[in-house]
Amino acid sequence: IVLTQSPGTLSLSPGERATLSCRASQSVDRNFLAWYQQKPGRAPRLLIYATFKRAIDIPDRFSGSGSGTDFTLTISRLEPEDFAVYYCQRYGSSLTFGGGTKVEIK
Amino acid sequence: QVQLVQSGAEVKKPGSSVKVSCKTSGGTFSSHAINWVRQAPGQGLEWLGGIVPLFGTTKYALKFQGRVTISADESASTAYMELTSLTSDDTAVYYCARDRYSDSSDNYFESQYWGQGTLVTVSS
Repeated sequence: IVLTQSPGTLSLSPGERATLSCRASQSVDRNFLAWYQQKPGRAPRLLIYATFKRAIDIPDRFSGSGSGTDFTLTISRLEPEDFAVYYCQRYGSSLTFGGGTKVEIK
Repeated sequence: QVQLVQSGAEVKKPGSSVKVSCKTSGGTFSSHAINWVRQAPGQGLEWLGGIVPLFGTTKYALKFQGRVTISADESASTAYMELTSLTSDDTAVYYCARDRYSDSSDNYFESQYWGQGTLVTVSS
């Protein structure tokens, strides 16, 4: 399975809504789709798993949705600390990552 | 509190091998998969493979099969990743990551816990 993320870069201002897309080349079994946030020099941080479940300590401005081959991460109101790179990941029998979306300050 | 601590940075010659360790503490070591993910400078995340220590079963990404070996020492709660025949393209930060969940099978799940990363530089 290949995961394609779009857009490559999203330029937004704090307080705006961010919508990130992840499209799979085949249907993702059991909606085994996760999202991670990564900041420079840091390990990735799990945000969302099983398509829509928030990981521990993740604020509710982060939400996930989708099914089959199309998935979305939404950040309802961007905080300054949300500007980072976001990756989707399919898991199950193996792992696959998308290429990432950078959310930058406009 | 689950923590993963990786071994230190390495500088290797082309054609050589590198072995990176990942010591875990807290939680249950054996039943949760540990995966290895790398990130080349300025690039995205790439999965190399993983292991479920309880079963000793490993899975490898097609790209790395034959060149990567992942192992685990349950007595030391430590996982290892060895990569051979290194080239400059293998210069990257290598992360270990432990699954949030286990269903006592060899399925892999989302990675809740990550090591700090190990920089491997391949240069002549």
